[in-house]
Amino acid sequence: EAQVTQNPRYLITVTGKKLTVTCSQNMNHEYMSWYRQDPGLGLRQIYYSMNVEVTDKGDVPEGYKVSRKEKRNFPLILESPSPNQTSLYFCASSSEGGGDTQYFGPGTRLTVL
Amino acid sequence: AQKVTQAQTEISVVEKEDVTLDCVYETRDTTYYLFWYKQPPSGELVFLIRRNSFDEQNEISGRYSWNFQKSTSSFNFTITASQVVDSAVYFCALSEPTDSWGKLQFGAGTQVVVTP
Repeated sequence: EAQVTQNPRYLITVTGKKLTVTCSQNMNHEYMSWYRQDPGLGLRQIYYSMNVEVTDKGDVPEGYKVSRKEKRNFPLILESPSPNQTSLYFCASSSEGGGDTQYFGPGTRLTVL
Repeated sequence: AQKVTQAQTEISVVEKEDVTLDCVYETRDTTYYLFWYKQPPSGELVFLIRRNSFDEQNEISGRYSWNFQKSTSSFNFTITASQVVDSAVYFCALSEPTDSWGKLQFGAGTQVVVTP
């Protein structure tokens, strides 16, 4: 089944404790992105990647890191999480740019205390 | 500045009523794509439709229909004969080349509540 998977689905952590949210897609897609969803703001892009080893900042990259060492994986790293990073996070992938449809993972609900 | 505006925060209807969700977008590009996604209470994002800027034909898919009007920069979504399963948050989104095609810009979403 074609899908985007994220782990963990739920995470409660404390300020400053490094964490990684994994994202994997099995569709051989070139593009992958991370978004965060906050009430009243919709979804905002954090980072995206056009291919292996090619990443770029989205609208809200502060406090996040990403890497794309393999085509299928695009982990999101919070090196020192803070309470304002409490949010619902989505990973997405698409086969190419040009406005291709992005398919989303199930989401990761993160709470930083 | 918000490039996609969904002015309706919440719409409540009774089952079988029609409901129209408004989406107004802003872009300087002549080539762009518009999308609608559904987020049911379970939280996942479900793709509904993708429309490119050169195709202004309205589209119908079952009880769903979309009205794209470039003249007013709008891409409205109508659910006909709503059902309880239509209760969800609906997002309109824009993809344009000035963002290297890598980003979807979302509106704030419209919560649709359908009661029996």
